[in-house]
Amino acid sequence: GNSVTQMEGPVTLSEEAFLTINCTYTATGYPSLFWYVQYPGEGLQLLLKATKADDKGSNKGFEATYRKETTSFHLEKGSVQVSDSAVYFCALSDPNMRFGAGTRLTVKP
Amino acid sequence: KAGVTQTPRYLIKTRGQQVTLSCSPISGHRSVSWYQQTPGQGLQFLFEYFSETQRNKGNFPGRFSGRQFSNSRSEMNVSTLELGDSALYLCASSLGDSTSGYTFGSGTRLTVV
Repeated sequence: GNSVTQMEGPVTLSEEAFLTINCTYTATGYPSLFWYVQYPGEGLQLLLKATKADDKGSNKGFEATYRKETTSFHLEKGSVQVSDSAVYFCALSDPNMRFGAGTRLTVKP
Repeated sequence: KAGVTQTPRYLIKTRGQQVTLSCSPISGHRSVSWYQQTPGQGLQFLFEYFSETQRNKGNFPGRFSGRQFSNSRSEMNVSTLELGDSALYLCASSLGDSTSGYTFGSGTRLTVV
């Protein structure tokens, strides 16, 4: 069945460092792809999405491009802040949302 | 507009008891999905309701059930609670399907003792 695999964490970065969290998917067809973020004690928030190949989703400085040839949807941010510390989930629509295991990001000042 | 509201936020129950969790979706959203989140298993899909009908179901035992009302509010019920049911239960709403993304509530933290 369809699935999502994302890099294991935790990831620890210094403020203003470049962030990449890898995500690859296995799917029949072309599902929509998503990144969600979960802050401590809260539910998930939709961060960005892409609905077809070569689409780039972006929000709050985060970006991810739907790559059909590499079946990937890596999350990137050029300069992370302490406030970006959270758990990030890659997901696809299958038809319900199917999530990766999550990657915990800690940004130190 | 108001977000997805889940009640209660915290629950402590004893093994063997049953529990009902509630979810009020965003106004106008007709689909409600439920997920169980645990450190070991991550986010697991329980079921989805759309227009009062269960549209999809995950791989959970029959002790887990749900329903949706005409105003799109949804409840999930877990009977004969087990220690392993301790988890964060998340509700998510969407207009119709998952392709536009979900809006999640803050969850109900269930502890079974």
